[in-house]
This record gives sequence, structure tokens and C-alpha cells, in this order.
Amino acid sequence: KAGVTQTPRYLIKTRGQQVTLSCSPISGHRSVSWYQQTPGQGLQFLFEYFSETQRNKGNFPGRFSGRQFSNSRSEMNVSTLELGDSALYLCASSLGQGGTDTQYFGPGTRLTVL
Amino acid sequence: AQSVTQLGSHVSVSEGALVLLRCNYSSSVPPYLFWYVQYPNQGLQLLLKYTSAATLVKGINGFEAEFKKSETSFHLTKPSAHMSDAAEYFCAVSDRGANSKLTFGKGITLSVRP
Repeated sequence: KAGVTQTPRYLIKTRGQQVTLSCSPISGHRSVSWYQQTPGQGLQFLFEYFSETQRNKGNFPGRFSGRQFSNSRSEMNVSTLELGDSALYLCASSLGQGGTDTQYFGPGTRLTVL
Repeated sequence: AQSVTQLGSHVSVSEGALVLLRCNYSSSVPPYLFWYVQYPNQGLQLLLKYTSAATLVKGINGFEAEFKKSETSFHLTKPSAHMSDAAEYFCAVSDRGANSKLTFGKGITLSVRP
């Protein structure tokens, strides 16, 4: 089975722009979670989608949003980018929802905001 | 709320030496516990997972971890370090609810000296 794929792998944007990141889960997985990884804050949970519904959300401002499609692929969007949004964004998929099923991570999208 | 503490940010061992990476958790309910490894420029890979079966959990690449409820710990060990073990290691906890999520520790960088 193919693993979790994320596109693009690298992205450079300027402050004020918006960005959309894409995640394709492992075939058959219905849950997709997103995480932000920075040197200072570590790995922080953004949100989880299961069967096209947001099931859980972390403590991030409303500029961070996401969605999931009927084929379980997910996108996350960050509007009005700030320098502090520079990070590695990881997505993970699992069969079931919640933090109990094993989550399989993609390679991440490295976002740099200038 | 659940949390994970990984003491120290960096551990250095000699090749062939014992690897011990510490993790303490806080959870109001019996948790699920995970160890993930991240190699440079890659996503996270699951090493092992505790779900309340055996307290000693064996994972991939010769790693194992022991769940100790009385100490609220889930330390990761490997009897003999290999150069290829050099990476960043994350401990994570989740509760067992339907809307649970993974909460990660800050991570520990393992260096292996020849």
C-alpha cells in the first residue's frame, strides 16, 4: 500500500498570502489529522477530520482551516500568513477516528513565510 | 488534560551502548502511549504502542518500552545502539475517548557516537 502523501513538499510564501496544503491518506483510512511542527513549540495538533467532518480541533486561530473530501483526501488552508506560521506541517491518517488508532504520517510540507 | 514530559532534549550514546529515553505522562484516564521516531526531512514513524495489554511492549528495530502506572512512565530502551538509530524520538499520549487526540512530548534527539 502506498503511504501518506503530502503536496507540495516545500513552499515559500510571503506575509499576508494564503496557502493550501494537500494530504492523501493511505487507501481505506478515513481519518486525517494535521499537525504543526516547529523547533520552539514542537508538534502541535491542528485538527482531525473523519468522514468529511471535523472531529477535533487544537488551539489555533481561525486562519487555520481544513476540509476533507469524500475520498478522504484532506486539505488545510492558512490565510493571512504570518512569519510565525513557518513550520513543517504533517498530516497523518488512520483507520478510525481519534487518537487510539495508529496514525501513519506523511513526509510533511515545509512552509517558509518571508 | 493529558500531557507528556520528555526530560532533556539531547541524549548521546556510544555505538553498542544501552539506549534509554525517558517519558512521563499525565492523564486522567488510562492512556494509550506511543513512541515515534523522526529521521531528518521525514515524517514520523511508529516505533511501538501501548494499549493496556502487556506492560512491556516490543517495537520495531529492537526497541521496547515498559508501561509503569505507579511511576506514570513509559521509557524507551534498546540494548545496543546502532549508528542508524540517530534520530529524534517523540513520546505521545492519547485518552480512549472517541474524540481523543495525540499529545506529543517535545522530543529527544539521539546521537550515536562511533
